[in-house]
Amino acid sequence: GAVVSQHPSWVICKSGTSVKIECRSLDFQATTMFWYRQFPKQSLMLMATSNEGSKATYEQGVEKDKFLINHASLTLSTLTVTSAHPEDSSFYICSARPSGGVGYTFGSGTRLTVV
Amino acid sequence: GENVEQHPSTLSVQEGDSAVIKCTYSDSASNYFPWYKQELGKRPQLIIDIRSNVGEKKDQRIAVTLNKTAKHFSLHITETQPEDSAVYFCAASIGQAGTALIFGKGTTLSVSS
Repeated sequence: GAVVSQHPSWVICKSGTSVKIECRSLDFQATTMFWYRQFPKQSLMLMATSNEGSKATYEQGVEKDKFLINHASLTLSTLTVTSAHPEDSSFYICSARPSGGVGYTFGSGTRLTVV
Repeated sequence: GENVEQHPSTLSVQEGDSAVIKCTYSDSASNYFPWYKQELGKRPQLIIDIRSNVGEKKDQRIAVTLNKTAKHFSLHITETQPEDSAVYFCAASIGQAGTALIFGKGTTLSVSS
């Protein structure tokens, strides 16, 4: 089945630094990937839609200059949290829908802790 | 934009009872409605889904019903077992399937033996 590999699974960084999260589609081409953020005991909130070869579409309230998304190839999308602060600590998870399929495939998620 | 409401937020049942979780959505163009089970710190796990051209779908103890006119869909779990205890999320596609999913706020299901 379709697999999305997400790395790292967890990361601890200092305030003010940047962190890059990668999502790779292993056995299909993902022209579109979706990035979600999930705070403890809350739902998955859509942050942005990543499109291969073009700019990402951000949801209202998500700072595009803080959460940089790059989708340079059909199998890789990256989310960079720039100048991270403790309030950015969260579970970040990507998703893609293989073309021709019905369901969505999720990465394993990244637990970001900013200290 | 799409908005998905989910109720109840918590649900406690006895083993063997049925559990029902309900969701409503706002975008009449939505046509894909999955249900996910999520364990703490893990990715959502698809348990059942339904497309808008179908009113009901069943997979063993799990069923989903969809009422497009009323814009609501429900998850039904029969003969609940302790291992069904988890957080369940409904979701709806923004318009056509293939676009992003918008999730409900989740239901914490507890099944006691």
